Amino acid sequence: NAGVTQTPKFQVLKTGQSMTLQCAQDMNHEYMSWYRQDPGMGLRLIHYSVGAGITDQGEVPNGYNVSRSTTEDFPLRLLSAAPSQTSVYFCASSYTGGDPDTIYFGEGSWLTVV
Amino acid sequence: AQSVTQLGSHVSVSEGALVLLRCNYSSSVPPYLFWYVQYPNQGLQLLLKYTSAATLVKGINGFEAEFKKSETSFHLTKPSAHMSDAAEYFCAVSDLTGTASKLTFGTGTRLQVTL
Repeated sequence: NAGVTQTPKFQVLKTGQSMTLQCAQDMNHEYMSWYRQDPGMGLRLIHYSVGAGITDQGEVPNGYNVSRSTTEDFPLRLLSAAPSQTSVYFCASSYTGGDPDTIYFGEGSWLTVV
Repeated sequence: AQSVTQLGSHVSVSEGALVLLRCNYSSSVPPYLFWYVQYPNQGLQLLLKYTSAATLVKGINGFEAEFKKSETSFHLTKPSAHMSDAAEYFCAVSDLTGTASKLTFGTGTRLQVTL
């Protein structure tokens, strides 16, 4: 059982480049989300999804796009990277049955924009 | 809107001493409350959670937290610190409306354990 898998783990981008952070979970979770972590600011919610085909914005959505075509995958797209997007990104998932409020996090993706 | 305040961005304790990490929350609905730990260059690991059952919640690694509605607090404690407890700790809140992945985090408290 792989849990929540994020790729890549490390990435360096140039300003203006685009890229996609991948997130996949094999637990059949309905809920998935993306957070960014910055020093002194904790984790902040970027986008989240309550099921395939349904996404919504979190606290800091600007500069990021998401889609949820399958239950398993929830990619995060940076269309035109900016230095302000240098951060550590975490994907998370959870479900509503059994133990509904345990949220599983991926191991993080370290992104540097130069 | 929900919010979480963690008092003290850095806490230093001696090995064997009591660990107390403070968390106060604000929520317009009954909250779910969580404590997560993050070791250097790693992801977040759930320590414990409060989901409106027992107000004293026991978690992994000897940690526990008590939900106090009157004080809107959910402080994390451990009777005796170990060197391996050195990490960053995050308190988080989620409402009960079903968006379980929508957590609001505090800014974190870095715990240092000294000999």
